[in-house]
Amino acid sequence: AQKITQTQPGMFVQEKEAVTLDCTYDTSDPSYGLFWYKQPSSGEMIFLIYQGSYDQQNATEGRYSLNFQKARKSANLVISASQLGDSAMYFCAMRTNAGKSTFGDGTTLTVKP
Amino acid sequence: DADVTQTPRNRITKTGKRIMLECSQTKGHDRMYWYRQDPGLGLRLIYYSFDVKDINKGEISDGYSVSRQAQAKFSLSLESAIPNQTALYFCATSSGGSGNTIYFGEGSWLTVV
Repeated sequence: AQKITQTQPGMFVQEKEAVTLDCTYDTSDPSYGLFWYKQPSSGEMIFLIYQGSYDQQNATEGRYSLNFQKARKSANLVISASQLGDSAMYFCAMRTNAGKSTFGDGTTLTVKP
Repeated sequence: DADVTQTPRNRITKTGKRIMLECSQTKGHDRMYWYRQDPGLGLRLIYYSFDVKDINKGEISDGYSVSRQAQAKFSLSLESAIPNQTALYFCATSSGGSGNTIYFGEGSWLTVV
């Protein structure tokens, strides 16, 4: 069975600082993809970044990077230079080749001015 | 225009009423999904469809039914709505394979009174 665990229900970060949101996963499928989504208070789900299980390098997208440690089954999201607009709920998700996706319970990030 | 469109975006309905949420996509994806999100929580899969003739139950399908009218259309029905089905509902689409991003609609806020 697939499982995503986000152990931080809420996080605070000072504006312009970096923050790491934790995500661990479990799957027996050797091929999988890991995703992070942002959900602002308006409710929409915004795709941020993707990491494939066979990718050798950590994914980066602008201020977002994914710290992928395969042996530890972790896929933490790092947001650099936090902005007030980064305040939102963040979800880690996993897809396997079977096509089903599993989401974590999310982490609410609050950026303080 | 959004790639994944959900209607209605907001609906208040009474207990026992039937309600349908509709979803259409212009991305040409074969896979479509319906998720439910309760306040402050993550996404739970209700139903998913890998093509027009392939529909599968997710983890919380009781009380819901779906119809895949065409590759681009996937509707969710609550046959007899109850208050604990009050939630934010998302339609999503993707191509096959673990590396393909899931694209979400803007969500439908449903309140059952």
